[in-house]
Amino acid sequence: SQKIEQNSEALNIQEGKTATLTCNYTNYSPAYLQWYRQDPGRGPVFLLLIRENEKEKRKERLKVTFDTTLKQSLFHITASQPADSATYLCALGPGGGNKLTFGTGTQLKVEL
Amino acid sequence: DVKVTQSSRYLVKRTGEKVFLECVQDMDHENMFWYRQDPGLGLRLIYFSYDVKMKEKGDIPEGYSVSREKKERFSLILESASTNQTSMYLCASSLPSGHTDTQYFGPGTRLTVL
Repeated sequence: SQKIEQNSEALNIQEGKTATLTCNYTNYSPAYLQWYRQDPGRGPVFLLLIRENEKEKRKERLKVTFDTTLKQSLFHITASQPADSATYLCALGPGGGNKLTFGTGTQLKVEL
Repeated sequence: DVKVTQSSRYLVKRTGEKVFLECVQDMDHENMFWYRQDPGLGLRLIYFSYDVKMKEKGDIPEGYSVSREKKERFSLILESASTNQTSMYLCASSLPSGHTDTQYFGPGTRLTVL
């Protein structure tokens, strides 16, 4: 069955450092992968989409890589700030009817 | 600005009650989704709809039903609420397949069944 793995342990880093989050998947050949941010008690918010034929995508301080051979995506936040503290979800698609399959998310804490 | 709204942020119901969760989007999206989110289990798809009056089962449809009478509104119904349905419920919408496939989420409804 399809499986998406994100590190369940919280990632604690110091302000100004680069945070790197990992999304691994098995039994899946996604056409694209998305990253979402979720704050406590709120719905996820879309951040970036990367397609299977793209190796890397950037948006301001965010960078996503997608390695379909390793079946892995890395999500980087450079010059991290306390405001970046949140849970980050990866999602693979498409499924039938434009469905996405979500990972369980990794909590990031950026400390002063 | 895109917007998905859900009828309640917090809801407390008793076992056996019929519960309605409402979701409205103002983006003219064809697709709408209902998820529940539980610690350690992530987002799990309950039902989705790709058009008015159309619905498809997701991964965990048991104990739930849905209704989509208008394009902008997608309702989740718990026919007889049980304590194991205590959860955060999230609604989302998106454009049809072939577009960006980005999902826009509502703020969520935290349902407690006593």
